[in-house]
Amino acid sequence: NAGVMQNPRHLVRRRGQEARLRCSPMKGHSHVYWYRQLPEEGLKFMVYLQKENIIDESGMPKERFSAEFPKEGPSILRIQQVVRGDSAAYFCASSPNPFDEQFFGPGTRLTVL
Amino acid sequence: RKEVEQDPGPFNVPEGATVAFNCTYSNSASQSFFWYRQDCRKEPKLLMSVYSSGNEDGRFTAQLNRASQYISLLIRDSKLSDSATYLCVVRGAGGTSYGKLTFGQGTILTVHP
Repeated sequence: NAGVMQNPRHLVRRRGQEARLRCSPMKGHSHVYWYRQLPEEGLKFMVYLQKENIIDESGMPKERFSAEFPKEGPSILRIQQVVRGDSAAYFCASSPNPFDEQFFGPGTRLTVL
Repeated sequence: RKEVEQDPGPFNVPEGATVAFNCTYSNSASQSFFWYRQDCRKEPKLLMSVYSSGNEDGRFTAQLNRASQYISLLIRDSKLSDSATYLCVVRGAGGTSYGKLTFGQGTILTVHP
């Protein structure tokens, strides 16, 4: 059973471009969570999604950030018009239900030039 | 006040030493508590859940004091492979926040020969 998969593992964007980060949960997991880890800081919750629904987006910045988890395909975290402060490691996690252990993917390291 | 606060560290200990990490949380309604481990530039991985009665897993012992809103992790007989960042984690309480994990900033442990 493959673990949580994220791609790309490394992403470089120039200021003003768009970044799309993908997350494929573990097989049988319908709950997906996105976290961000800024340099030298702890992980911060961004958003929790269940198939086609956003359950909790209390950690998402108000502008430029959006997330989806369609019926088919991976979950996508989209960052529009990236700025240098968006440079961070973005981790996705999944679980079979919200009270089970969250398994983390290897992360996508975003660098904004 | 941060939602989850940990010892600032870093801890540098010799092999075989016993080391203890402490953590406090601010939301008294929180119900679930964990210790995660994160190796350099890798994803966090669950080390152990923390139960009110205290629990042990080999060389690792976790304790929870709900009255003081305090969590601890004790590592006995430290190994070189224990070198990592240890993250105190609390699950959200109430509403739709049950899927949200709140992480402490982490405590770095280095075990040396």
